[in-house]
Amino acid sequence: QVTLKESGPALVKSTQTLTLTCTFSGFSLSTSGMRVSWIRQPPGKALEWLARIEWDDDKLYSTSLKTRLTISKDTSKNQVVLTMTNMDPVDTATYYCARMVHDSSGYYFDYWGQGTLVTVSS
Amino acid sequence: QSVLTQPPSVSAAPGQKVTISCSGSSSNIGNNYVSWYQQLPGTAPKLLIYDNNKRPSGIPDRFSGSKSGTSATLGVTGLQTGDEADYYCGTWDSSLSAWVFGGGTKLTVL
Repeated sequence: QVTLKESGPALVKSTQTLTLTCTFSGFSLSTSGMRVSWIRQPPGKALEWLARIEWDDDKLYSTSLKTRLTISKDTSKNQVVLTMTNMDPVDTATYYCARMVHDSSGYYFDYWGQGTLVTVSS
Repeated sequence: QSVLTQPPSVSAAPGQKVTISCSGSSSNIGNNYVSWYQQLPGTAPKLLIYDNNKRPSGIPDRFSGSKSGTSATLGVTGLQTGDEADYYCGTWDSSLSAWVFGGGTKLTVL
């Protein structure tokens, strides 16, 4: 059974750095083809993809947020960590981690965490 | 503004059929597979359709997906009040080297 769960602070201040952890089970990020992404959703708004890390430690970032994001993994702990620097109130959102899979055709997110709401105060 | 364009809202009566469109370009929908996600109020998104038209185990065949050129469509038949949710399309964008989502469509079952 695949599960993912996000954890981190519920409240951060402007200019601070946010660190979120995704703890997962039911698969290993050391297995070829496995990937985990972070996605966020401001209140009442659409989903926005942030970053992806692959089994071979390859990383991709949203073009618009690339300079502020760092994604990493700890395979032994089954965790993926996202850091976002210089937080601003517009970064207030629910942050999700999701497993990304690639079959013989395309990519898609088959399992999602429950999400964690992060509020940025000014 | 989202890379993929969806109508903000659609509505239909219980038992009826509705379609939700997702429009993109050759760098995303035109050359990559589309997936759809259902987000019930207050919950995380859930995979509904993948690889344009495949349903994960447990998703009823009332939900269907299709793609033509640079557009994709989600169809829902036999509408139920439990289908009221936000629906998002998503795909890889080869030019951006990034995953992109549509702006989401709120489905209301009248």
